[in-house]
Amino acid sequence: NAGVTQTPKFRILKIGQSMTLQCTQDMNHNYMYWYRQDPGMGLKLIYYSVGAGITDKGEVPNGYNVSRSTTEDFPLRLELAAPSQTSVYFCASSYSGEGGYGEQFFGPGTRLTVL
Amino acid sequence: RKEVEQDPGPFNVPEGATVAFNCTYSNSASQSFFWYRQDCRKEPKLLMSVYSSGNEDGRFTAQLNRASQYISLLIRDSKLSDSATYLCALRSSASKIIFGSGTRLSIRP
Repeated sequence: NAGVTQTPKFRILKIGQSMTLQCTQDMNHNYMYWYRQDPGMGLKLIYYSVGAGITDKGEVPNGYNVSRSTTEDFPLRLELAAPSQTSVYFCASSYSGEGGYGEQFFGPGTRLTVL
Repeated sequence: RKEVEQDPGPFNVPEGATVAFNCTYSNSASQSFFWYRQDCRKEPKLLMSVYSSGNEDGRFTAQLNRASQYISLLIRDSKLSDSATYLCALRSSASKIIFGSGTRLSIRP
């Protein structure tokens, strides 16, 4: 299993540009998440999904959009990039069922700089 | 009051020492508690879940104190490789997952 993979690893955007951060998991997890982590800070939840076709906002959703057309993929779209979106973005997945909430597995992250 | 608070550190201790740090939380409805380890410029990785009765995994011991609303992590016989940032996390629902800002630990030879 590759686990959770993210592309690209690094990206520099100009203000106003758009991009999609890709996230794929091969563990058949039903839950997927997008977090951002600013330097010296904890993780903040941007969006999450409890299954294909179902997404919902987290703590800091403004400026982002997501979709979940398959169990495996959960792309994050940035429209009109702003310097405040400079951060490290982590995708995570977990299995949650009758036994409770499972461990979250994280991807390696995408380092985004907006200039 | 923040939902989750951690002492940012850094904790700088000699190899072989015992070190402990706490994470306080404000939401009494929190159901699940975790400690994650994050190395510099890497993703967080689960270190251990924290159970109500406390649990141990080798040199690591985690405790939950619901009355005082904190969890703790104790590391015994610390190794150089334990140097990292330790994040606490708590979950109160499917979507409500809150991470602390992390405590930096540095082990010196």
